[in-house]
Amino acid sequence: NAGVMQNPRHLVRRRGQEARLRCSPMKGHSHVYWYRQLPEEGLKFMVYLQKENIIDESGMPKERFSAEFPKEGPSILRIQQVVRGDSAAYFCASSSLWGTGGQTREQYFGPGTRLTVT
Amino acid sequence: AQTVTQSQPEMSVQEAETVTLSCTYDTSESDYYLFWYKQPPSRQMILVIRQEAYKQQNATENRFSVNFQKAAKSFSLKISDSQLGDAAMYFCAYAGGSEKLVFGKGTKLTVNP
Repeated sequence: NAGVMQNPRHLVRRRGQEARLRCSPMKGHSHVYWYRQLPEEGLKFMVYLQKENIIDESGMPKERFSAEFPKEGPSILRIQQVVRGDSAAYFCASSSLWGTGGQTREQYFGPGTRLTVT
Repeated sequence: AQTVTQSQPEMSVQEAETVTLSCTYDTSESDYYLFWYKQPPSRQMILVIRQEAYKQQNATENRFSVNFQKAAKSFSLKISDSQLGDAAMYFCAYAGGSEKLVFGKGTKLTVNP
């Protein structure tokens, strides 16, 4: 069973360009989360999506950032007009369940995309 | 808002010895989960162990165990018989009603041969 796939693993963009990060969840998983990790920091939640729905985007910057998880294909995190402060590792995670009563909420992480803005 | 605090930026342990990593959290929720993730130099996030708040019994996974003190909001990780491959960043994380994971800033563990 393939794990969470992210591509590209490394992405270099010049200031002002667009960055598109892709995430394919584990087979059977319909919940996708995006996290950002700045140098020497823990991961910070950005957005939580289910197929065709944004459930929680409370961690997303108000401008330039957007995310989608279409019915078919991977989830996309899009950063427009990148700035140097966007340089970070972006992790995607997926899970299979949301519920109570002892159901696991384990999130399985992809290898991350390291974005460098020059 | 929930917060997770890891007060030890760095720890070191001798190979085959035992080390404990500390984590405290703040929440007003009664139903939640706690996790320890390992991040080796490859940067892959690997789930080490999880604990459901409603369970009083401490979780154990081979050489890894936790000391979950719900009243004190403490969730420490004990690594027994440390191995060189245990060297990594360790992150404590909380998941409550909002589904998202809240991470601490991490503890860098060095294992000395």
